[in-house]
Amino acid sequence: NAGVTQTPKFQVLKTGQSMTLQCAQDMNHEYMSWYRQDPGMGLRLIHYSVGAGITDQGEVPNGYNVSRSTTEDFPLRLLSAAPSQTSVYFCASSYAAVQETQYFGPGTRLLVL
Amino acid sequence: AQTVTQSQPEMSVQEAETVTLSCTYDTSESNYYLFWYKQPPSRQMILVIRQEAYKQQNATENRFSVNFQKAAKSFSLKISDSQLGDTAMYFCAFMKPLTGANSKLTFGKGITLSVRP
Repeated sequence: NAGVTQTPKFQVLKTGQSMTLQCAQDMNHEYMSWYRQDPGMGLRLIHYSVGAGITDQGEVPNGYNVSRSTTEDFPLRLLSAAPSQTSVYFCASSYAAVQETQYFGPGTRLLVL
Repeated sequence: AQTVTQSQPEMSVQEAETVTLSCTYDTSESNYYLFWYKQPPSRQMILVIRQEAYKQQNATENRFSVNFQKAAKSFSLKISDSQLGDTAMYFCAFMKPLTGANSKLTFGKGITLSVRP
């Protein structure tokens, strides 16, 4: 198993550009989530999904969209990038949301100029 | 809302010695889960240890153990026989049981641990 994979590893965007951060897992996990990590802030939940076709907002959802058309994939879309979205983004998955250990991807580092 | 506090931003320990990382949390829930994650320079998030609040026995995982004090809402991580590979940022995290579709991890701000040779 590849586990949780994320692409790209690093991306530079200009303000106003859009892009999609990809996340995929091959463990047949139902629960997937996106976090952002900023210095001194820990990780904060952006969006999550408890299964294909079901998504919900986390703590900091503004400026981001998600969809879950398959169990394996959970892309995160930035509609109009802003410098405040400069961060490291982590995707995570688990078999179920309840008390399950979450497996994290390697992260995507995003710089918005 | 749950909060997780890691008040020490940095710690240092000599190789082979023992170090304890502190974490406190605030919740009104009686049943929940606590985690310690390790983030080495590679930035990958790695689960170190997990504790279920309903279990009185402290979790252990090889050189890693926790001191879980439910009444005090404290969850510290002890690393024994520290190794250079333990150098990383460590995050304490809280998860409440699923209610509807609203389960998530709440993280502390992290502590940077340096192991000195």
